[in-house]
Amino acid sequence: EAGVTQSPTHLIKTRGQQATLRCSPISGHTSVYWYQQALGLGLQFLLWYDEGEERNRGNFPPRFSGRQFPNYSSELNVNALELEDSALYLCASSFQGTYGYTFGSGTRLTVV
Amino acid sequence: KNQVEQSPQSLIILEGKNCTLQCNYTVSPFSNLRWYKQDTGRGPVSLTIMTFSENTKSNGRYTATLDADTKQSSLHITASQLSDSASYICVVSISNTNAGKSTFGDGTTLTVKP
Repeated sequence: EAGVTQSPTHLIKTRGQQATLRCSPISGHTSVYWYQQALGLGLQFLLWYDEGEERNRGNFPPRFSGRQFPNYSSELNVNALELEDSALYLCASSFQGTYGYTFGSGTRLTVV
Repeated sequence: KNQVEQSPQSLIILEGKNCTLQCNYTVSPFSNLRWYKQDTGRGPVSLTIMTFSENTKSNGRYTATLDADTKQSSLHITASQLSDSASYICVVSISNTNAGKSTFGDGTTLTVKP
């Protein structure tokens, strides 16, 4: 069974640009979660999608947004990139919002 | 405010030794507690999941305990190996249907030296 896959693995952007990160959940999982992990720090909750709808949002500005597609894959968009957005962005999936999270390997975003 | 506090922040041990990591939480109402292992630059990998009624769960050399009355959990690692060097994260959720509201601890960074 394929795990949670994230792409790209690394992304380098210039300040002010937009970044798009992608996540494919485990087959059968309906929920996708996004987390930001700055270097040396803990995971910060960004967004939770289930059945195509945003269910919960962390304490991040509106320039962090996303969506979930009918096949349950998800995109995280970060607009007007700032240097402090540089971090590892992790996606996790579960079945219908239950606690059986499985994480992907992450996308390392670097803003220069 | 729901919080999860882990201690110590970092720990260095010699290969072959045992160690115990602590997690104290104030999350309420409690649903479940998970321990994850995160290698540097990688996504967290689940070690154990415990619900209110479970007070111990093992996964190989990893044993997690839970005291729901005192709101404390520990992760015991036996006969440590170099590959155990990682960050160990404690995650507490308030209910199965609100997994998106899980509260993450900041993790304990474990370094195992030969």
